[in-house]
Amino acid sequence: KAGVTQTPRYLIKTRGQQVTLSCSPISGHRSVSWYQQTPGQGLQFLFEYFSETQRNKGNFPGRFSGRQFSNSRSEMNVSTLELGDSALYLCASSPAPRGRNYEQYFGPGTRLTVT
Amino acid sequence: GQNIDQPTEMTATEGAIVQINCTYQTSGFNGLFWYQQHAGEAPTFLSYNVLDGLEEKGRFSSFLSRSKGYSYLLLKELQMKDSASYLCAVREGAGNNRKLIWGLGTSLAVNP
Repeated sequence: KAGVTQTPRYLIKTRGQQVTLSCSPISGHRSVSWYQQTPGQGLQFLFEYFSETQRNKGNFPGRFSGRQFSNSRSEMNVSTLELGDSALYLCASSPAPRGRNYEQYFGPGTRLTVT
Repeated sequence: GQNIDQPTEMTATEGAIVQINCTYQTSGFNGLFWYQQHAGEAPTFLSYNVLDGLEEKGRFSSFLSRSKGYSYLLLKELQMKDSASYLCAVREGAGNNRKLIWGLGTSLAVNP
């Protein structure tokens, strides 16, 4: 079974621009979560989608948004990029958001650099 | 992870045993996870505890005490490839408010 894939793997943007990151979960997984990882803050939860609905959202400004499609693929968008948005963005999928089925499988991440 | 504490760094010797502790304060505890993350790679699942006690899986074991808000990950027969960051994550909340809160990770260096 193929793992979680994320595109692009690396991205360089300038302040003020916007960016869209893509995540394809493991086949059959319907739950997708997004995280931002930085050395100082660790893994910070962005949002979780299940069956095309946002189930939960972390404490990030409205510039961060996401969506999930009927095939469970997900995208996240960051508008008006700031230098502090430079981070590794990780996507994780799981069969369902409960119990042991909540074990999350992470993709390789997208390394975003904002200059 | 402001509500999850784990040591920043640990060092151990190949073949030895190491215990990585994690303490947490959450509202609505709903399970605790341990993940391993090698440098430059994505985290990979190691263990899951929701009830008190020890869960053993090969060389790795994880313990949970809900009353003490405490967990540890025990790594036996350490190998060089175990050098990595170990992340403790707590699931809190219920229903649509469930989310994972992550510790900052413990960087483990295994020396020959």
